[in-house]
Amino acid sequence: NAGVMQNPRHLVRRRGQEARLRCSPMKGHSHVYWYRQLPEEGLKFMVYLQKENIIDESGMPKERFSAEFPKEGPSILRIQQVVRGDSAAYFCASSPSGGPTYEQYFGPGTRLTVT
Amino acid sequence: QKEVEQDPGPLSVPEGAIVSLNCTYSNSAFQYFMWYRQYSRKGPELLMYTYSSGNKEDGRFTAQVDKSSKYISLFIRDSQPSDSATYLCAMIAPSNTGKLIFGQGTTLQVKP
Repeated sequence: NAGVMQNPRHLVRRRGQEARLRCSPMKGHSHVYWYRQLPEEGLKFMVYLQKENIIDESGMPKERFSAEFPKEGPSILRIQQVVRGDSAAYFCASSPSGGPTYEQYFGPGTRLTVT
Repeated sequence: QKEVEQDPGPLSVPEGAIVSLNCTYSNSAFQYFMWYRQYSRKGPELLMYTYSSGNKEDGRFTAQVDKSSKYISLFIRDSQPSDSATYLCAMIAPSNTGKLIFGQGTTLQVKP
């Protein structure tokens, strides 16, 4: 049973470019969460999605960041016009359909570097 | 004040020692408490979760929750070099929207 998959694992973008991070949840999971981990800091919640719905986006920066989880395909975290402060590890997690949302399983992360 | 406080360490112990990792929190509405292990440059791995107060044991790992003191602990018995990692505590937000609140993480090194 494959775990949570994220790609790319490493992404380098110049300031002002767009970054697209993809996440495929575990089989049978329909809840997806995105977290950001800045250097020397803990994981910070960004957004919680179910298929075609944003449930909680209270951790998303108000500008340049957006997330979606379409009916078909992976969840996408999109960062427009990246700045150096966006450099971080971005982790996706998923939890079972109909199950508790505290039981979250994480992917390997995408490490974004903005030059 | 952060909602969840965790000493970042590093904590260094000899192989075979009992390790105690702790977190304190401020929100009395937290009900579910999780411990994750994160190896360098990898994703967090869910170790254990507990509900409300009490103990839970899984092999060499024991999780304790004391809601009256707003204090949680993870004990590792017979620690091994392979336990060297960062340990993160996490708690579920009162609104139960799936928003985990994490501590900063404690870096543990178990020396052979």
